[in-house]
Amino acid sequence: GENVEQHPSTLSVQEGDSAVIKCTYSDSASNYFPWYKQELGKGPQLIIDIRSNVGEKKDQRIAVTLNKTAKHFSLHITETQPEDSAVYFCAASDGDGEKLTFGTGTRLTIIP
Amino acid sequence: GAGVSQSPSNKVTEKGKDVELRCDPISGHTALYWYRQSLGQGLEFLIYFQGNSAPDKSGLPSDRFSAERTGGSVSTLTIQRTQQEDSAVYLCASSSRAQSPFFGPGTRLTVL
Repeated sequence: GENVEQHPSTLSVQEGDSAVIKCTYSDSASNYFPWYKQELGKGPQLIIDIRSNVGEKKDQRIAVTLNKTAKHFSLHITETQPEDSAVYFCAASDGDGEKLTFGTGTRLTIIP
Repeated sequence: GAGVSQSPSNKVTEKGKDVELRCDPISGHTALYWYRQSLGQGLEFLIYFQGNSAPDKSGLPSDRFSAERTGGSVSTLTIQRTQQEDSAVYLCASSSRAQSPFFGPGTRLTVL
């Protein structure tokens, strides 16, 4: 089955700086890669996703890149703000969101 | 409602007792998922329902765990003879075809 590894497990950045979270996956059949943000006491919320037919996708301060050959994908947050503090999860699946396999999460802390 | 709802939000039970966790998915969503999140860990897939198809139960950790989805809508996750290692947040999610899952707020289960 699919195995997703995520690094780092914790990340602290100064407000205004950029944050990068990296994930690798094992199953070359995976073709859908969403990122979720989980705030304390809440369920994860989708923030951005990418499919294997593109290499990069951007939405305001958030971007995701995908390298299919190396089987890794990354989340980039620019101009970080205190409200970006949360736990971020990457995930992979071989269908449209069906049976996602999640990474172990990254706790991001933005230092004011 | 506008989102996925779960009840109860918190459940404390004694070892050996049975518990039932309820999920109300977003109206019209054909897919429903259960995930488990242990403290500080990622999301562990438990079970997946899609329309009238047989559910994918491959993630259920033991035969003490079972789930039903009645009328293609509400789902109940049942844990029999609870053990302390069952303590976790149980997350339900739902989606339409070609859409990422929307998560509920979760049920925090504590087994004493």
